[in-house]
Amino acid sequence: DQQVKQNSPSLSVQEGRISILNCDYTNSMFDYFLWYKKYPAEGPTFLISISSIKDKNEDGRFTVFLNKSAKHLSLHIVPSQPGDSAVYFCAASATQSPGARDDKIIFGKGTRLHILP
Amino acid sequence: GAGVSQSPSNKVTEKGKDVELRCDPISGHTALYWYRQSLGQGLEFLIYFQGNSAPDKSGLPSDRFSAERTGGSVSTLTIQRTQQEDSAVYLCASSFFRGYGYTFGSGTRLTVV
Repeated sequence: DQQVKQNSPSLSVQEGRISILNCDYTNSMFDYFLWYKKYPAEGPTFLISISSIKDKNEDGRFTVFLNKSAKHLSLHIVPSQPGDSAVYFCAASATQSPGARDDKIIFGKGTRLHILP
Repeated sequence: GAGVSQSPSNKVTEKGKDVELRCDPISGHTALYWYRQSLGQGLEFLIYFQGNSAPDKSGLPSDRFSAERTGGSVSTLTIQRTQQEDSAVYLCASSFFRGYGYTFGSGTRLTVV
């Protein structure tokens, strides 16, 4: 049972345009959401996060939107650059849930983003 | 250290052999996690350490998998009698604040032939 779902395995976007990566979750206890970026042969690196008390968080070219009622979040990258080509993982954790022993982060399967010249 | 260090970076082993994967977390990080990424799959949680104890081992796929952590620092993931389906990238991560994001190592690519 996948608690974090990224339904698009890959996405191609023209350089300079906006990249939108989507993610859905099923666990209503999740209250903290993260995006990680992964290049080949490297570990994932943290990109941006959002707490459930907010609906938007922006950091430079990256913005994450959270729609709690739809259990949906998205990552917007604008403008897209060649170096943005990577696999993006959506992730979530339940930091405040009673009895949470470790608040482990649950990851989606990832979306491979290709930025086209 | 400055980052999470994993060794070896690559390991090729014969089916049925045992392997040990090592993770050296960021100094001072009390939480340590093991994940694996199989081909075409996401990051699958294996085990979590808080200090030297493992409150959550729920992700270990079988009893062939075990892990330990000593001195609240280095962790070793051991896979006994490796099978081809164990082939994956094994990632270690550490954090200071649980649940708020990890720092990952570069991983160990395990290939069982």
